[in-house]
Amino acid sequence: KQEVTQIPAALSVPEGENLVLNCSFTDSAIYNLQWFRQDPGKGLTSLLLIQSSQREQTSGRLNASLDKSSGRSTLYIAASQPGDSATYLCAVSDRDDKIIFGKGTRLHILP
Amino acid sequence: NAGVTQTPKFRVLKTGQSMTLLCAQDMNHEYMYWYRQDPGMGLRLIHYSVGEGTTAKGEVPDGYNVSRLKKQNFLLGLESAAPSQTSVYFCASSYPPPWETQYFGPGTRLLVL
Repeated sequence: KQEVTQIPAALSVPEGENLVLNCSFTDSAIYNLQWFRQDPGKGLTSLLLIQSSQREQTSGRLNASLDKSSGRSTLYIAASQPGDSATYLCAVSDRDDKIIFGKGTRLHILP
Repeated sequence: NAGVTQTPKFRVLKTGQSMTLLCAQDMNHEYMYWYRQDPGMGLRLIHYSVGEGTTAKGEVPDGYNVSRLKKQNFLLGLESAAPSQTSVYFCASSYPPPWETQYFGPGTRLLVL
């Protein structure tokens, strides 16, 4: 059974710092991995999607990497801003059409 | 485009009552999903559909039923609500794998007393 783990559960960093969020999964047979952002009381917004054949994807200050063989992904946020404060979730899509989510990392950027 | 919409936004039920949550998408997506989100548990898949007229069980399907009579709509039903079903329910839709960016609705907050 696929399990997705995100460490740490919560993180506070000063504004302007670069930071890395971690995601690990137990079964490497995935279609893709997605990173989402969720603001309090809101739905999820997709940030980046990495196909199983890809190593990384970039969007603005965000860079996501995927190492399928080791079951790991990282989300790198450059030059963090207070507006980046949110919960970040990763999810993997398996071969049975299911998408399994991690429990998220709650990020707080200190002004 | 409205994207993914959910109705209602908030509802209070008494134990044993029934209700239907409606999800609608205007992106012509084949796949649709229902999740519940609870503190400390993350998002868990309830049921999903890979096309009109099809449904499948997810991780936590007990106590829920679904229907996908039209491609754009995915209904989640609670036949006899229980306090354990108090949660925030999210609907999502996507194209089939591997191009599978999911688009989420704003959520429905359900309180069962």
